[in-house]
Amino acid sequence: ETVLTQSPGTLSLSPGERATLSCRASQSVYSSYLAWYQQRPGQAPRLLIYGASSRATGIPDRFSGGGSGTDFTLTIGRLEPEDFAVYYCQYYGTSPQTFGQGTKVEI
Amino acid sequence: VQVVESGGGLVQPGGSLRLSCLASGFTFWSNHMHWVRQAPGKGLEYVAGITSNGDKRIYADSVKGKFTVSRDNSKNTLDLQMSSLRTEDTAVYYCVKEGAGNWKPFDYWGQGTLVTVSS
Repeated sequence: ETVLTQSPGTLSLSPGERATLSCRASQSVYSSYLAWYQQRPGQAPRLLIYGASSRATGIPDRFSGGGSGTDFTLTIGRLEPEDFAVYYCQYYGTSPQTFGQGTKVEI
Repeated sequence: VQVVESGGGLVQPGGSLRLSCLASGFTFWSNHMHWVRQAPGKGLEYVAGITSNGDKRIYADSVKGKFTVSRDNSKNTLDLQMSSLRTEDTAVYYCVKEGAGNWKPFDYWGQGTLVTVSS
């Protein structure tokens, strides 16, 4: 089973700053199957990034993803107030799919 | 696209509950479907999934033998039958649509239904 470890657990930033979130896999994975989700308080998660670097429909271009092998990153170029949320990575190239434990981006 | 869960509620330890999800706005029969849960204040945990035609099911180890996922493509519904419930099964349960094809991300999530296991 592929375990995903996200860091940091919490990221404290201000609006306008850049956020860099990390997701590390316990073994090398296909980047084609790495996704990121955003979950705002009281809401369901929504898909941000798939295939490690492709933005989902309607996702602003301040969100970008990258990485390969075991190390992946989600970057938020300039934080907007609505970006303060919890972010999860997911590997969907295995069954059952696995999620990281989440990174909270807070003000 | 909409997926709407129902059936959550309070149940005693050892009890059973059946969750349902009604899908609309897409060709339900062509998409694999899943259940993902989130315990209060915790992260996302994969629970179960079923292929588009229902011929294959997958379960997390934590629910294997206790939960059964099923679907009715004629009614656009996805179900999760839960039995032998424990307090650690308390969570919001999300019905999730996988993108079309195989090995796709989860592109639509319901708003979730809360299951509380408590005496």
